[in-house]
Amino acid sequence: AQSVTQLDSHVSVSEGTPVLLRCNYSSSYSPSLFWYVQHPNKGLQLLLKYTSAATLVKGINGFEAEFKKSETSFHLTKPSAHMSDAAEYFCVVTRNTGGFKTIFGAGTRLFVKA
Amino acid sequence: NAGVTQTPKFQVLKTGQSMTLQCAQDMNHNSMYWYRQDPGMGLRLIYYSASEGTTDKGEVPNGYNVSRLNKREFSLRLESAAPSQTSVYFCASTLGGSSYNEQFFGPGTRLTVL
Repeated sequence: AQSVTQLDSHVSVSEGTPVLLRCNYSSSYSPSLFWYVQHPNKGLQLLLKYTSAATLVKGINGFEAEFKKSETSFHLTKPSAHMSDAAEYFCVVTRNTGGFKTIFGAGTRLFVKA
Repeated sequence: NAGVTQTPKFQVLKTGQSMTLQCAQDMNHNSMYWYRQDPGMGLRLIYYSASEGTTDKGEVPNGYNVSRLNKREFSLRLESAAPSQTSVYFCASTLGGSSYNEQFFGPGTRLTVL
């Protein structure tokens, strides 16, 4: 069985401070892991994905995530928040063994204060 | 390239009415997906089409039907709308069926069923 847990429904940071959005997963198979961002009233856009080539994955707009198999985590980080980072972020697990299945976390809304 | 387009953007239905949500992609992708997004629940897969001519149920298929009209187009039909189907609907596509493939999302259709 697969599941995704985003540990915080809301995160608030000040502009220029680090961002940490936490995601834990469970999967019976080797997972494909993604982070997507959704700005208000928009579709989702890929930030980064884990493809088993490297445990530290770099994405767009300065975001990165580290795959930790021992902790079943895939936390998203950014060294310095920008006002434009305010959005909702989704951690996603996907597999295509025995049929396609994709599980989205419930989402974490990031607020950035000036 | 327009990417993934969806029509309509907004729709209000009365209980029992029917409607079809349209989705098209111009990226020559093989796989297409329909999701619904409800507050606090992330996105849930309704149906998907791994390739032209095939469709499969996702996590929440009840009350919906789909048609993969050709490689570009994938429609979602509500035969008898219910208030529980009030949601934002997203269409997505990927190049192929690999779980590593990035999904490209449309802008969404906001549906209200009274």
